Amino acid sequence: QQQVKQSPQSLIVQKGGISIINCAYENTAFDYFPWYQQFPGKGPALLIAIRPDVSEKKEGRFTISFNKSAKQFSLHIMDSQPGDSATYFCAASIPSKRNYGQNFVFGPGTRLSVLP
Amino acid sequence: NAGVTQTPKFRVLKTGQSMTLLCAQDMNHEYMYWYRQDPGMGLRLIHYSVGEGTTAKGEVPDGYNVSRLKKQNFLLGLESAAPSQTSVYFCASSYDLAGGSQYFGPGTRLTVT
Repeated sequence: QQQVKQSPQSLIVQKGGISIINCAYENTAFDYFPWYQQFPGKGPALLIAIRPDVSEKKEGRFTISFNKSAKQFSLHIMDSQPGDSATYFCAASIPSKRNYGQNFVFGPGTRLSVLP
Repeated sequence: NAGVTQTPKFRVLKTGQSMTLLCAQDMNHEYMYWYRQDPGMGLRLIHYSVGEGTTAKGEVPDGYNVSRLKKQNFLLGLESAAPSQTSVYFCASSYDLAGGSQYFGPGTRLTVT
């Protein structure tokens, strides 16, 4: 089974600090890498996503850094706020109808707590 | 525009009982998905559908069946519930396969005793 590894499992950051979550994958055929944010009692929501033709994508305080050769990507949250406290999931996929079920995988999640 | 809705929100079953979880979306999305979420394991795809009348197996399909009779609805059935199926179930929909975002419902917390 294809996997996406994610670390750390949990992260505590002071308000205003930088939160960094890392993911690594094995299948070089993956070509879409989204990050999801999930608040307690809610479903995950797409936060930001990247394709491997770029090395970085920034949306507001959230940045994805992508290292294709290392097969790694990371989420950086700048100026972290208590409202960012949530569980973050990375994912990787191959958008093909054939064998799609085996080609969209989530990381195990990182629980982020931002202290006020 | 309600997005993706799921019913019920909570359910407790006894081993061997059956039930159906309903997912509905009002975004006219072609693709719909059922996931289960367990602590420390992220989300795992159970079944998915690429259009009305079509379904396919995901990563963990055993013990579940699905149907997509209408484009806006995707049903997940448990014929004979087992304690291993205790989980939080999420439905999602999208307008394309992974190229766009998947929109998730609020989840159904199922406990099988």
